[in-house]
Amino acid sequence: KAGVTQTPRYLIKTRGQQVTLSCSPISGHRSVSWYQQTPGQGLQFLFEYFSETQRNKGNFPGRFSGRQFSNSRSEMNVSTLELGDSALYLCASSFLAGVYNEQFFGPGTRLTVL
Amino acid sequence: AQTVTQSQPEMSVQEAETVTLSCTYDTSESDYYLFWYKQPPSRQMILVIRQEAYKQQNATENRFSVNFQKAAKSFSLKISDSQLGDAAMYFCAYSRENDMRFGAGTRLTVKP
Repeated sequence: KAGVTQTPRYLIKTRGQQVTLSCSPISGHRSVSWYQQTPGQGLQFLFEYFSETQRNKGNFPGRFSGRQFSNSRSEMNVSTLELGDSALYLCASSFLAGVYNEQFFGPGTRLTVL
Repeated sequence: AQTVTQSQPEMSVQEAETVTLSCTYDTSESDYYLFWYKQPPSRQMILVIRQEAYKQQNATENRFSVNFQKAAKSFSLKISDSQLGDAAMYFCAYSRENDMRFGAGTRLTVKP
């Protein structure tokens, strides 16, 4: 089985722009979660989607949003980018709903905001 | 709010030796999940071990085992017979009701 894939792997944007990141889960997995990893704040949970529904969201502003499609692929959008949004964005998939289940992580998308 | 503390930013171990990584957490709940995740340099994060709080027995996965002390809110990871491939960042995490909190991580170096 192919693992979790994330595109693009690297991205450079400027302040004020918006960005969309994509995550394709392992085949058969219906849960996709997103995380932000920065040197200052560490790893933080963004949100989880299961069957096209957002189940929970971490403590992030409304500029961070996401969605999930019927094929379980998920996208994450950040609008009005700020310098502090520079981070490694990880997505993870699991067969069952709930981040407390075993999750399989993708390689991440490294976003740099200039 | 639940917090997870990893007090050892860096640890070092000799190949074939045993090392223990510490993790404490703060919660008022009785039902939750604890994890150790491994993030090798430039590679994907993988689950090392998962513990359900209501289970008394400590989880083990081959050379990896945990010492779960619920009353003390402690969840340490023991790596036995350390191998070069164990070198990575190790994150302790707590999860309850679809929220996940991570510790700051411990960077483990394995010396040949």
